[in-house]
Formats: sequence, structure tokens, C-alpha cells
Amino acid sequence: GAVVSQHPSWVICKSGTSVKIECRSLDFQATTMFWYRQFPKQSLMLMATSNEGSKATYEQGVEKDKFLINHASLTLSTLTVTSAHPEDSSFYICSARQTSDTQYFGPGTRLTVL
Amino acid sequence: SQQGEEDPQALSIQEGENATMNCSYKTSINNLQWYRQNSGRGLVHLILIRSNEREKHSGRLRVTLDTSKKSSSLLITASRAADTASYFCATPLRGGGNKLTFGTGTQLKVEL
Repeated sequence: GAVVSQHPSWVICKSGTSVKIECRSLDFQATTMFWYRQFPKQSLMLMATSNEGSKATYEQGVEKDKFLINHASLTLSTLTVTSAHPEDSSFYICSARQTSDTQYFGPGTRLTVL
Repeated sequence: SQQGEEDPQALSIQEGENATMNCSYKTSINNLQWYRQNSGRGLVHLILIRSNEREKHSGRLRVTLDTSKKSSSLLITASRAADTASYFCATPLRGGGNKLTFGTGTQLKVEL
């Protein structure tokens, strides 16, 4: 089946630093990638939609200058959390979609900001 | 805002029993998907059911869809300890292209 990887799987950083998370579709080309965040024991909240070669579309309430998304190729999207603060600590999950309605999810990245 | 509500929020059963989870949604949809999430991991796609389907099976999974009631159920038969996870339903966002909105999830615990 379709495999999506994320790197890193976990990261701890100091407040004020920036963190980049990569999302790769390993065995298929993803026309669209999505970024979600998930707080403990809660559901996934869509942050943004990323289409290869175009600007990401952000959901209401998500700061595009804080969460920079780049979708440079059909197999790679990156999310950069800029000037991270403790309230940005969360579980970030990406998903990738080929042509069907199914989204394939990465394993997630646990971000802890001290 | 989230489209789906799931119940129960938590479910604890013994191995071998069946587990049923329900999902209700608010607007008309063309498909509904169920995902599983093990603690601290990503989501695994389980099954997709289209609006013109009423029931779908995949192994020990049985999904029903009632578009008149805007609800779906996921039944796991003969549960195993390895089924312990959170289960989410997801529906396309209205007018949102391929975006999904997720339900609140059901935390299933299967005890030996």
C-alpha cells in the first residue's frame, strides 16, 4: 500500500527556534498533501492543504507566517514551525493523496517546545 | 469545526467480543472513511464507504452508512488486544475539495 514517512518522529527545541518537519510519499506521487495537528486525546485538526508547485491553503485561524509550508515536489512537503513557543507543542501529522479519495497518513511528529 | 461526533468516547471490552462505534455527521457527503490510530502514531486507513452504499465489509470490519440519519457505524468482530486504538470517522469538507474533517474519535481498549 501507499507509504508516507515523516521526519523527524520527535523533536525537542527551545522557545524561539524554528523546526522543520518533512513529509514524504515513498511509493507514489502525491498531488496533494495535508498537514494536521493533534492535541493529546483529541481529534485531528486540519491546518493546511499543500499542492505541489503552488502556495498552501491555510485553514481559518492558522497563521501562515508561523507555519510555513513548502511542497517542492510530488513526493515531499515540509512544514516549518517558525519561532516556536510552548503552545506549539503538539503532534503534527501529514497525509498524502494521490488521485483517489483516500488519504495516507504519516506516522506523525511529536514536537515539544521548552 | 469538526463535522463528526462519535460515540462512545471510550469503549472497553474483552477479547473476542464485538465492538461497535458510531459516527454522526452534519452535512451531506459522498463518502465516509474510518481510520485507526494507535497511541502516538499516525492514522491507518481502514475502509471507505460511498454514499450509495449501505454496508461494506473488510475482514473483521463491517461498516454501515445511513445517509438519511447522517450516521455510520463501525463494527469490529471477534476483537483482539491488537485492536486497542482510537478510531476516527472522517468525511469530506463541504466545498472543501479533498479535505477531510475528523470525528471526535472512540478510544477502544480490548482486554485479554
